[in-house]
Amino acid sequence: QLLESGGGWVQPGGSLRLSCEASGFTFTTYAMNWVRQTPEKGLEWVSSISNSGATTFYADSVKGRFSISRDNSKNILYLQMNNLRAEDTAIYYCAKDSRGGITARFDPWGQGTLVTVSS
Amino acid sequence: DVQMTQSPSSLSASLGDRVTITCRASQSIGTFLNWYQYKSGKAPKLLIYAASTLQGGVPSRFSGSGSGTDFTLTISTLQPEDCATYYCQQSANAPWTFGQGTKVELK
Repeated sequence: QLLESGGGWVQPGGSLRLSCEASGFTFTTYAMNWVRQTPEKGLEWVSSISNSGATTFYADSVKGRFSISRDNSKNILYLQMNNLRAEDTAIYYCAKDSRGGITARFDPWGQGTLVTVSS
Repeated sequence: DVQMTQSPSSLSASLGDRVTITCRASQSIGTFLNWYQYKSGKAPKLLIYAASTLQGGVPSRFSGSGSGTDFTLTISTLQPEDCATYYCQQSANAPWTFGQGTKVELK
């Protein structure tokens, strides 16, 4: 099970940190991912991190502004989002990968947390 | 980046109909192709991975085929619970990209 939190309303230029608490599987065994959804663009991959945290990937649209990390002692995945823009408004989902290295096969997904960036 | 193009963008079909959604990649991705079902307000669900492998627990009326650049998701007999938006996604090359989605509705 994956449970996201930390979403909310923020002004442009602001910051938020999303969390994803994992349970029911051995967190340290799997890479993890963030994917966002908007009615206009559909699903958009945001970022991925390997099981050890040594390897990370970012979409160009968030590179330099977002940072993915994980605390394997607490079974929590994070997404630090800085310098937020209106176009970052979306439902953010965390999703488990299929193995320790990043395969970008997303299953399962959490229920999502809504981020709204607006003045 | 690999561009993923789905068609149609929406379709309307009757209960029991066979439904086919196509997905085309801008370059060859082998069989690194996944299909997801999305219902508003719910967690997206993986249906098919590696182009044709059914994820555990997914009804057998769902099937996938294709390789290289052209892929297909088929629902053999449409059920009411299949009304959703379906996305293809390539997992061959980062950035991992999705198609724009196909909304399936009941006629």
